[in-house]
Amino acid sequence: ELQLVESGGGLVQPGGSLRLSCAASGFRFSSHALHWVRQAPGKGLEYVSGISGNGGSTRYADSVKGRFTISRDNSKNTLFLQMGSLRAEDMAVYYCAREISSGNTLDAFDIWGQGTVVTVSS
Amino acid sequence: DIQMTQSPSTLSASVGDRVTITCRASQSIGSWLAWYQQKPGKAPKLLIYKASNLESGVPSRFSGSGSGTEFTLTISSLQPDDFATYYCQQYNTYSRTFGQGTKVDMK
Repeated sequence: ELQLVESGGGLVQPGGSLRLSCAASGFRFSSHALHWVRQAPGKGLEYVSGISGNGGSTRYADSVKGRFTISRDNSKNTLFLQMGSLRAEDMAVYYCAREISSGNTLDAFDIWGQGTVVTVSS
Repeated sequence: DIQMTQSPSTLSASVGDRVTITCRASQSIGSWLAWYQQKPGKAPKLLIYKASNLESGVPSRFSGSGSGTEFTLTISSLQPDDFATYYCQQYNTYSRTFGQGTKVDMK
């Protein structure tokens, strides 16, 4: 079964750090770009970051650039999001998602995890 | 960055109604548009990719059309399971912008 399972969410103080993980199964992990998308309480979807299949290319939304780092371990089929200098506005459900294409073209996201909740509060 | 604007923000409809949601891009994105359905407390689900291609397993009452800057998602006959929020997303550029969402609720 194609599956993504996030973990690592929790309560963190403003200015703190947190590392999210996303474990994948059921597909050739290294063939697909992966992404993080977040959703603040009661709000819409916001693209956060993405990484190519081999990890050589990364992208960030302006809202997290310089504070968040995306990475992946293809030997362990796991995606990561290291979040630092966290702010109240980073509080959200964080989803990992798989990009359909295993090629070099941009594509839609066909597999999503269930999400992990990040709460930023003192 | 490319901005995506959906209309309406909320749509009240009844079972059996034909429902149309519009998504407009601030610049041309070709056909690089996806539609997702999200229910409360759940992850988004891909419905349509490349503007008009139905994802495997998605009922045929869902259809997408458009290119350039204007796109539509149509539900031909609304079913009880279709009450949800719908998002468009462009993937013409790496910014991968989402629309703000359209909530379809019961009239």
